[in-house]
Amino acid sequence: DQQVKQNSPSLSVQEGRISILNCDYTNSMFDYFLWYKKYPAEGPTFLISISSIKDKNEDGRFTVFLNKSAKHLSLHIVPSQPGDSAVYFCAASLGGGTASKLTFGTGTRLQVTL
Amino acid sequence: GAVVSQHPSWVICKSGTSVKIECRSLDFQATTMFWYRQFPKQSLMLMATSNEGSKATYEQGVEKDKFLINHASLTLSTLTVTSAHPEDSSFYICSALPGRRIYGYTFGSGTRLTVV
Repeated sequence: DQQVKQNSPSLSVQEGRISILNCDYTNSMFDYFLWYKKYPAEGPTFLISISSIKDKNEDGRFTVFLNKSAKHLSLHIVPSQPGDSAVYFCAASLGGGTASKLTFGTGTRLQVTL
Repeated sequence: GAVVSQHPSWVICKSGTSVKIECRSLDFQATTMFWYRQFPKQSLMLMATSNEGSKATYEQGVEKDKFLINHASLTLSTLTVTSAHPEDSSFYICSALPGRRIYGYTFGSGTRLTVV
């Protein structure tokens, strides 16, 4: 049972444009969400997170939006850069932001073209 | 920043042999480490939670006798894949939390295991 889903396995965006990566979850008890970026043969690196008490969090070019009623979150990258090309995972947890297990989505491969 | 070192980065072994993967927190102590497994084009699946000085907690469906976890110190956890078979070929990643905030999870660089 995949509790966190990323329905788009891949996405191609032109440099300078906005990249929007989507993530859906089924467990309404999840209260903290994170986005990770991963290159091949490397571990994931943390990008940005959001608590369920917020609907938006912004950090530089990255913004995460949370729609709790729809159980949906999205990551916006603007402007997109070639170095953003990687696999992006969303993850969810039950710990309210403290140490707890992460449930990962299936990932979306983003390719930013010149 | 906090660093988690994982070794080896890749390993090829013969079917039936055992392989040990190490995960070290280099500049912090980690009472808890996590082991994940990733199949090609799939999600990172949590295998087990490694607890320093006590038994690991395994996720449902993960064979305890197959994947032995030892967390003997505050900076080292090991995963041993015993009697490896080709279906154990995968990418294994560990992570640790150098604090109390979940966004601080630091991941190792992963180990690509190929069983032939």
